[in-house]
Amino acid sequence: KAGVTQTPRYLIKTRGQQVTLSCSPISGHRSVSWYQQTPGQGLQFLFEYFSETQRNKGNFPGRFSGRQFSNSRSEMNVSTLELGDSALYLCASSLVGGSGDEQYFGPGTRLTVT
Amino acid sequence: AQSVTQLGSHVSVSEGALVLLRCNYSSSVPPYLFWYVQYPNQGLQLLLKYTSAATLVKGINGFEAEFKKSETSFHLTKPSAHMSDAAEYFCAVSSNTANDMRFGAGTRLTVKP
Repeated sequence: KAGVTQTPRYLIKTRGQQVTLSCSPISGHRSVSWYQQTPGQGLQFLFEYFSETQRNKGNFPGRFSGRQFSNSRSEMNVSTLELGDSALYLCASSLVGGSGDEQYFGPGTRLTVT
Repeated sequence: AQSVTQLGSHVSVSEGALVLLRCNYSSSVPPYLFWYVQYPNQGLQLLLKYTSAATLVKGINGFEAEFKKSETSFHLTKPSAHMSDAAEYFCAVSSNTANDMRFGAGTRLTVKP
């Protein structure tokens, strides 16, 4: 069974631009979560999607948004990029989420904002 | 709200020595607790998880962790460190009601030959 895939793996953008990252969960998994990882703030929860609906949201500004498609694939979008958005963005999938459901992580997308 | 605190951002051990990575949790509901490992330029890999079935949890690569409610701890141990264990380790907690996993700051493990 294929693991969680994320595209692209590396991305360089300029301040003010917007970016879209993609995540394909493990087949059969319906919950997709997104995390931002930086040296200063560590791993921070962005949001979780289940059945095309945002079910949980972390403490990030509205510039960060996401969506999930009927095949459970998910995208996250960051608008008006800031230098501080440079980070590794990780996607994780689980069967249904909650109740201690294991999350399986993708390799991440490393975003650099210049 | 739930959270985890990992004591020690950096731990260094000699090859063959005991590995002990500390994690304390805070949760208002019975928690689910996890340990993940991250190798350079990779995502996180699940080592083990606690879901109240047993207090001593065995994971992959010879790691285990013990849930101690009285101490609100979930420390990760391995009897004998290998060079391949060098990585960053994250403790995480989630509730039983939502997929709201929260991670600790991480502990970087160095293994000396």
